[in-house]
Amino acid sequence: DVKVTQSSRYLVKRTGEKVFLECVQDMDHENMFWYRQDPGLGLRLIYFSYDVKMKEKGDIPEGYSVSREKKERFSLILESASTNQTSMYLCASHKQGNQLLGEKLFFGSGTQLSVL
Amino acid sequence: AQSVSQHNHHVILSEAASLELGCNYSYGGTVNLFWYVQYPGQHLQLLLKYFSGDPLVKGIKGFEAEFIKSKFSFNLRKPSVQWSDTAEYFCAVDWGFKTIFGAGTRLFVKA
Repeated sequence: DVKVTQSSRYLVKRTGEKVFLECVQDMDHENMFWYRQDPGLGLRLIYFSYDVKMKEKGDIPEGYSVSREKKERFSLILESASTNQTSMYLCASHKQGNQLLGEKLFFGSGTQLSVL
Repeated sequence: AQSVSQHNHHVILSEAASLELGCNYSYGGTVNLFWYVQYPGQHLQLLLKYFSGDPLVKGIKGFEAEFIKSKFSFNLRKPSVQWSDTAEYFCAVDWGFKTIFGAGTRLFVKA
């Protein structure tokens, strides 16, 4: 069974802390994504990666960075957490495949981060 | 109820690769069909539209789309993408009383 695993389901951090959110997929997917989900705003793309060591900004990259040292792992980093980064963070991946048929996005179960 | 489906959330291609983005709509009858593009930091622009006549429609920047009535589809194509095609693409269907947009497909073209 295919899997995208996020290391923590819940996290509570203090303002100014450095936060690491880890995501691992076991499907050999090329493309990985980090989203945040907030009530009324839907899913917003933070960063994505299409290959090892490659990263691209999404819609809301400010205050975040990412790391993709291995194909299966895509980490989201909050350099100095702030209260407005309290959110549900979702990692996703999909295969580089057939554009017309579409490639399904596989999501992790999410990390609910609270910054106090 | 009417709906518009775009098959991909994300498409990532290398320069010079061919592009085909799928769009299907749920309900028949007479429709007008559109593809819009939104470049980073800009508002929506019309790429092309189909009202009637030749089902193969040519738009700006080398894009074309084919209306296949029997399949309720209006797929967007470009034979060779460029880095500058990085954008979000929206299919829209106008049933005369309502226009519905698909959720969008983000295209990223690797330089």
